[in-house]
Amino acid sequence: QQQVKQSPQSLIVQKGGISIINCAYENTAFDYFPWYQQFPGKGPALLIAIRPDVSEKKEGRFTISFNKSAKQFSLHIMDSQPGDSATYFCAASTPLVFGKGTRLSVIA
Amino acid sequence: DAGVIQSPRHEVTEMGQEVTLRCKPISGHNSLFWYRQTMMRGLELLIYFNNNVPIDDSGMPEDRFSAKMPNASFSTLKIQPSEPRDSAVYFCASSFDREDQPQHFGDGTRLSIL
Repeated sequence: QQQVKQSPQSLIVQKGGISIINCAYENTAFDYFPWYQQFPGKGPALLIAIRPDVSEKKEGRFTISFNKSAKQFSLHIMDSQPGDSATYFCAASTPLVFGKGTRLSVIA
Repeated sequence: DAGVIQSPRHEVTEMGQEVTLRCKPISGHNSLFWYRQTMMRGLELLIYFNNNVPIDDSGMPEDRFSAKMPNASFSTLKIQPSEPRDSAVYFCASSFDREDQPQHFGDGTRLSIL
């Protein structure tokens, strides 16, 4: 049973554009929603996280939007840069379960 | 600061051989996780330790897999006997606690079973 569904599987965005990755969860007991970023040959690293008591959290160019009633949350990357090219995983906790990942490519 | 250290980085071995993956968590972290990553199944939690005690091993695929944490600074994941379908990248992660604390991942062990 996949508890966190992530889309799209892959995404190509022009430099300077907005990247949007969406996730949906099933378990209403989840209370912590992190996003991880993974570069080739490296382990995932925490990028940004949100709790369901807020609808949005912003850190620099990265923003999480959270819709508790719809059980959905999304990552927005503003002014996308080639250095943002990586695989992004949404997750939900507790226990921590990961989405299947989105491979983002930002092209110049 | 030293992060989570995994060894070896790459392992290639023949089917039927015993494989041992090693992990040194970040000092002071009391939770340790082993994950397996494949294209088909994504990131799967295999086992979780808290204060060196296995808490949840429901993700361990079968009896061929075993994990130990003899002390706070070392853990092993063993596969015996190994099979080609075990080929994957195995990650170790550690955190201060399981809930709402970021997990810090090592760079993984890429395992290929021929």
